[in-house]
Amino acid sequence: GAGVSQSPSNKVTEKGKDVELRCDPISGHTALYWYRQSLGQGLEFLIYFQGNSAPDKSGLPSDRFSAERTGGSVSTLTIQRTQQEDSAVYLCASSYTGAEAFFGQGTRLTVV
Amino acid sequence: AQKITQTQPGMFVQEKEAVTLDCTYDTSDQSYGLFWYKQPSSGEMIFLIYQGSYDEQNATEGRYSLNFQKARKSANLVISASQLGDSAMYFCAFFGPTGRRALTFGSGTRLQVQP
Repeated sequence: GAGVSQSPSNKVTEKGKDVELRCDPISGHTALYWYRQSLGQGLEFLIYFQGNSAPDKSGLPSDRFSAERTGGSVSTLTIQRTQQEDSAVYLCASSYTGAEAFFGQGTRLTVV
Repeated sequence: AQKITQTQPGMFVQEKEAVTLDCTYDTSDQSYGLFWYKQPSSGEMIFLIYQGSYDEQNATEGRYSLNFQKARKSANLVISASQLGDSAMYFCAFFGPTGRRALTFGSGTRLQVQP
């Protein structure tokens, strides 16, 4: 499709397990962002990729969180040893200009 | 660091009436952009409108307009002729050239349109 695609749409995992969330940005978009949204809250910035530049990881809440972007396209957000407070919707967005961002539908992560 | 403030956690409006959602920001950047997004209960983030700091005219997109007051650092969203489908969360966001190169979001306003 033409939009940002995220998978899975829903993920239920046991506490302590690792999870991988995937984002396919819009073709040609050089900027890619990950945000986290807890229930009823605003969007919390996690990480930002722009072209071949070093990513801005300043929003990652702990060293259990990591992300990579392969070939300047698909990105994977990995959460190791998940905790219950990691439960949230994880939103990916991409941008051509670096400003206006187009969002995917998100992955709802539930840690039980 | 930039800061975005939305002071209205919830708003009610009657169908067909206009409503203004407040957004103020704090920045020392001279060039920046302001965005509004809508998030219905389905969870998707829908881009509504954009205002550049050097744009001389207030941005408009259909029933959406942005009341941009640069000196007061406010960028309020005005929705005219509200419809039931406008019921959603609305987020204001800031993008500037310094600091984090990503949209910084406000806490959001939940708008409920009543018939």
